[in-house]
Amino acid sequence: AQKVTQAQTEISVVEKEDVTLDCVYETRDTTYYLFWYKQPPSGELVFLIRRNSFDEQNEISGRYSWNFQKSTSSFNFTITASQVVDSAVYFCALSEVLNSGNTPLVFGKGTRLSVIA
Amino acid sequence: DAGVIQSPRHEVTEMGQEVTLRCKPISGHNSLFWYRQTMMRGLELLIYFNNNVPIDDSGMPEDRFSAKMPNASFSTLKIQPSEPRDSAVYFCASRRLAGGPGELFFGEGSRLTVL
Repeated sequence: AQKVTQAQTEISVVEKEDVTLDCVYETRDTTYYLFWYKQPPSGELVFLIRRNSFDEQNEISGRYSWNFQKSTSSFNFTITASQVVDSAVYFCALSEVLNSGNTPLVFGKGTRLSVIA
Repeated sequence: DAGVIQSPRHEVTEMGQEVTLRCKPISGHNSLFWYRQTMMRGLELLIYFNNNVPIDDSGMPEDRFSAKMPNASFSTLKIQPSEPRDSAVYFCASRRLAGGPGELFFGEGSRLTVL
């Protein structure tokens, strides 16, 4: 069974600090995809990144970067030089690829990030 | 392009009333999902459809919940009778079936309050 754990419930940082959000997943499948979503205070769910299990290269997009390590089943998300607008709940999610089809996304419980000016 | 459209955005009702939530997926997307978000349980999958066919409804909490997808452009989630513990934000999401699991495109959610 697939499972995603985000052990950090809430994180508070001062603006311009770097912050890393942890994500640990469990799956018995060898082919799977990992995702991060952002949920700002307005409530919508915003897609940030999708990564497949065969691509362990780290990804950087502006101030955002992702570190995927299969050896530790982790897919961590770092925000560099955080800004107040980064304040949101961030969700990590997992979807497996099965012979019967792709499974729905299973989400972690989320990490609430507060960036203080 | 229009995103996933949900209605109503907010619903306040009294215990025992029937509630119907509606969703229009993105055109061309053939996989549709209903999720529920609460503080206690986070984002949990209720049911999903591929090509209008329900694939897994094991997340539907009770027989009071039902979902339909009569065509590729419309789905409903019905709660009858509603209870206070059903209060939550209900999200509809869609994606294409082809290829690996792509990103889910979410609607803005329907916030349900049952008094």
